[in-house]
Order: sequence, then C-alpha cells, then structure tokens
Amino acid sequence: GAVVSQHPSRVICKSGTSVKIECRSLDFQATTMFWYRQFPKQSLMLMATSNEGSKATYEQGVEKDKFLINHASLTLSTLTVTSAHPEDSSFYICSAPSTSHGTEAFFGQGTRLTVV
Amino acid sequence: QKEVEQNSGPLSVPEGAIASLNCTYSDRGSQSFFWYRQYSGKSPELIMSIYSNGDKEDGRFTAQLNKASQYVSLLIRDSQPSDSATYLCAVISGGYNKLIFGAGTRLAVHP
Repeated sequence: GAVVSQHPSRVICKSGTSVKIECRSLDFQATTMFWYRQFPKQSLMLMATSNEGSKATYEQGVEKDKFLINHASLTLSTLTVTSAHPEDSSFYICSAPSTSHGTEAFFGQGTRLTVV
Repeated sequence: QKEVEQNSGPLSVPEGAIASLNCTYSDRGSQSFFWYRQYSGKSPELIMSIYSNGDKEDGRFTAQLNKASQYVSLLIRDSQPSDSATYLCAVISGGYNKLIFGAGTRLAVHP
C-alpha cells in the first residue's frame, strides 16, 4: 500500500517556540493532505485541508495564524505550530488520499507534541 | 448533531465472542465508509472500507452498510485479546475527500 511518512514522531518544546511537522507521501503524489489533532481518549479532529499550490482550508475554530500549513510540492505538506503553549500538546496526524486506491486515506505515523 | 456518532464504550466481550460496533452518520450524500483500528499512541490503521449497501466480509471482519438508515456497523468474529483497541468509524464528507471520524468505540476482549 501507499506510504505516508511523518516526522518527527515525538517533539518536546518550550512554550512560545514554534514546531514544524512534516508529512511526505513516499510513493504517490498527493495534491491534498489532511491534518488532524487528537487529544487523549478523544477522536481525530480534522484541523485543516492542505492543498498543493494554494492556501489551506481550515476547519471552524482552528486558528490559521497559529497552525501554519504549507503544501509546497505534490509530496510534502508541513504544519507549523507557532508560539506553542501547553494546551497545544497533542497527537498530530497527517493523512493523504491515494487516487490509485479509491477514496482510501493513508496516515502518517503521528507526532506527539509536548509543550513545556 | 455530530457528523459521525459512535458509542464510546468500553465494549467488553469474552475471547471467541462476536463484537458488534455501530456507527451512524448525518451526511446523507456520503458514499464511502471506513472502519479503522487505533492502538494507544499509534495512527489509525484501516480495517474495512464499504461503499455499497449490504455486507462486506474480510476474514473475521464484516462491515454492514445501510444508507437509508445512515448506519454502518462492524462485526468481529472470534474476538481475540489482540483485537482490544479503539475502533473508529469514518465517513467521506464534503469536498476534497475529507475523512470525518466518530469518537471511537473502545473494545476490550478479555480471555
């Protein structure tokens, strides 16, 4: 199956700093990628849809100036958490739909962000 | 109303029994439905996809879809302790093939 690689898997940062998370589709091109956030014992909440070559589409309630998304190529999308605070500590997961596998989505390994 | 609803559980079943997981969705136009399994601290992994009304079987897993009732279910036969995980129902909704998840049902299979 298709592979989506997400990096880093874990990151600890200080309050006020920014953290960048990368999501790469390794063997297919992804014009669209999705970013999710998951708090402990809760489901995956869609944050935004990343579109190659254009602005990301954010879900209601998600601050676009805080969660910067860049989809510079057909294989890479990045999420930058700016001025991170402890309440941003969460599990962030990216996914990409594969056009060769119908509407199936492939997920990255996830990034555990801890802001101290 | 939430777009995808699931009973959060926990659902506890004995080893070897059938586990039945249910999900309802609100977008009547949805055409693609998925069941994912997620272990703690890991990304979801796809178990089943279903697109047409009726049953779809894959090994010990059977997905059932009823679009008229906006209902999707997953049956796990001969449940094993290794099946203990959170099961997420997901529905394609809106443009860009957005995958919307339910809250997940925690399944515990006890020996």
